[in-house]
Amino acid sequence: RKEVEQDPGPFNVPEGATVAFNCTYSNSASQSFFWYRQDCRKEPKLLMSVYSSGNEDGRFTAQLNRASQYISLLIRDSKLSDSATYLCVVHASGGSYIPTFGRGTSLIVHP
Amino acid sequence: EADIYQTPRYLVIGTGKKITLECSQTMGHDKMYWYQQDPGMELHLIHYSYGVNSTEKGDLSSESTVSRIRTEHFPLTLESARPSHTSQYLCASSGTHQPQHFGDGTRLSIL
Repeated sequence: RKEVEQDPGPFNVPEGATVAFNCTYSNSASQSFFWYRQDCRKEPKLLMSVYSSGNEDGRFTAQLNRASQYISLLIRDSKLSDSATYLCVVHASGGSYIPTFGRGTSLIVHP
Repeated sequence: EADIYQTPRYLVIGTGKKITLECSQTMGHDKMYWYQQDPGMELHLIHYSYGVNSTEKGDLSSESTVSRIRTEHFPLTLESARPSHTSQYLCASSGTHQPQHFGDGTRLSIL
């Protein structure tokens, strides 16, 4: 089982739709969580950190469920420009501090 | 925007050549990373460093080598390039448990 798992998609949604992605992690000692966005042939860029109490940034909401070991990303009122791959990243506490990336979830927003 | 730079952005070169991909960051981050990513595929960690004079191999076996003589500089070297090395190489840096910042990447093609 991979340490961080994401549904690769693609999620194909119309403009204005609400879409949610989940990401599960296997290491219960995981401490820090992030969502990144990666456009085709570009580098990943930090979208938002994920805090224990959940957090919102405009149309984007991130949540953490430690009991079930998953994080989620909700995008409201999807725009064409939201089309990208969304990567889930998990840092474990102690040890090597090496972040673990999910393979990403592809989102396609169409007119 | 994060201050991490990679050069060259693109490189097309013949088999057997020695190649060095440069990566520099001005954020004073201790941790630096090299990833390899093929189009549409997931990121693979090939090298990382915790600080000066520290280098470790990542999850993906690679014929490349790295050095970390200065905090801000983390070059990657291929002693003898082969067509199988054709890929995109992404450099990143971070503080402990902080999100990574990525460079723009180097797209390498070996003929």
